[in-house]
Amino acid sequence: GNSVTQMEGPVTLSEEAFLTINCTYTATGYPSLFWYVQYPGEGLQLLLKATKADDKGSNKGFEATYRKETTSFHLEKGSVQVSDSAVYFCALSLSSSNTGKLIFGQGTTLQVKP
Amino acid sequence: DADVTQTPRNRITKTGKRIMLECSQTKGHDRMYWYRQDPGLGLRLIYYSFDVKDINKGEISDGYSVSRQAQAKFSLSLESAIPNQTALYFCATSDLLASGGNEQFFGPGTRLTVL
Repeated sequence: GNSVTQMEGPVTLSEEAFLTINCTYTATGYPSLFWYVQYPGEGLQLLLKATKADDKGSNKGFEATYRKETTSFHLEKGSVQVSDSAVYFCALSLSSSNTGKLIFGQGTTLQVKP
Repeated sequence: DADVTQTPRNRITKTGKRIMLECSQTKGHDRMYWYRQDPGLGLRLIYYSFDVKDINKGEISDGYSVSRQAQAKFSLSLESAIPNQTALYFCATSDLLASGGNEQFFGPGTRLTVL
């Protein structure tokens, strides 16, 4: 079936460190891929997305590239800040199904220390 | 004002009680969704609706029901709450006609505790 797997957290980094959060997926057809972020006490916000292979999504210094050959969509940031501390969710949507449903990974908690 | 609102934000109830969680949106989107979030499990889809007359079960609909009262309102009910329904509940919306692969917009969540 269709699924998303993220690296387990929590991930603890010092400010200005490089961040990678791994995400791989299993899907039939050609999914769209998303990263959502959940700050403490808030709902999920879209961070970035990519709708086809080799697309790179980017926002707020975060990037992720849609790799069809490795079925991956890893999230990266070159220099994290304390304000990046949050839970990050990788998700996919199957455009072929026309339901608009998102399938989420389990989430990865990032804690950035000063 | 927030585009997707949920009420209440927090609720504590007892086993066997009927609970309704409400969601309203001002985005004009036709599609609405209810998810629950549990630690280590991500978000799981409970129900979704494409319009007022179209309601669909998600992956974990047992023990829940929904009502789409209007395009802007989508309520989730627990007819007889049980402790394993303790979770964080999110409402989300999306636009059928928008490009970009089914982006969804989330409300702030309702934290429900069933004792």
